Amino acid sequence: TQLLEQSPQFLSIQEGENLTVYCNSSSVFSSLQWYRQEPGEGPVLLVTVVTGGEVKKLKRLTFQFGDARKDSSLHITAAQPGDTGLYLCAGGTQGGSEKLVFGKGTKLTVNP
Amino acid sequence: KAGVTQTPRYLIKTRGQQVTLSCSPISGHRSVSWYQQTPGQGLQFLFEYFSETQRNKGNFPGRFSGRQFSNSRSEMNVSTLELGDSALYLCASSLFPLETQYFGPGTRLLVL
Repeated sequence: TQLLEQSPQFLSIQEGENLTVYCNSSSVFSSLQWYRQEPGEGPVLLVTVVTGGEVKKLKRLTFQFGDARKDSSLHITAAQPGDTGLYLCAGGTQGGSEKLVFGKGTKLTVNP
Repeated sequence: KAGVTQTPRYLIKTRGQQVTLSCSPISGHRSVSWYQQTPGQGLQFLFEYFSETQRNKGNFPGRFSGRQFSNSRSEMNVSTLELGDSALYLCASSLFPLETQYFGPGTRLLVL
């Protein structure tokens, strides 16, 4: 069974601070996706990374896929209250059982 | 373009009953996946349908079933409901399997 461990599980910070969320596994994934979910809504895709070592930037968010494609990180610079939400990573598997495996998420609260 | 819609949004049932949830994918999307989200287990994959055929199934008991219609709309059914089935059920659609998934707002099911 392929598992994705996210850390930390909960994070509460002040507006303007930086933070990093981690997504780790012992398995190799063909791709890694990051989603943000707000209360009462479904997850919204932020980014997909597919190449080991790949770095993608989305405004104040920086996503990195590990060289071995087993882990990923999300770094937010100068967090804002609008960044509050549940951040989920999901690994794409292949080889006869293609599906997305999700981590349990990091619940981020950014206080004004 | 309208997003993924799910009906109903909220549902209360009692143990032993059965329930049917509906998902209408984004127009043109032919792949539909279902997930169960709980605070303890996170997002767990239920099944995926493409062109009316189930391509993948997660590790859930046979009480959980689904189907997809020729217009790509999908339904999932849970029979003999248990308290542990209380969860947010999310549907996601994509053009084809393994492509970017777009989630609906979910159906929140409470089993009493």
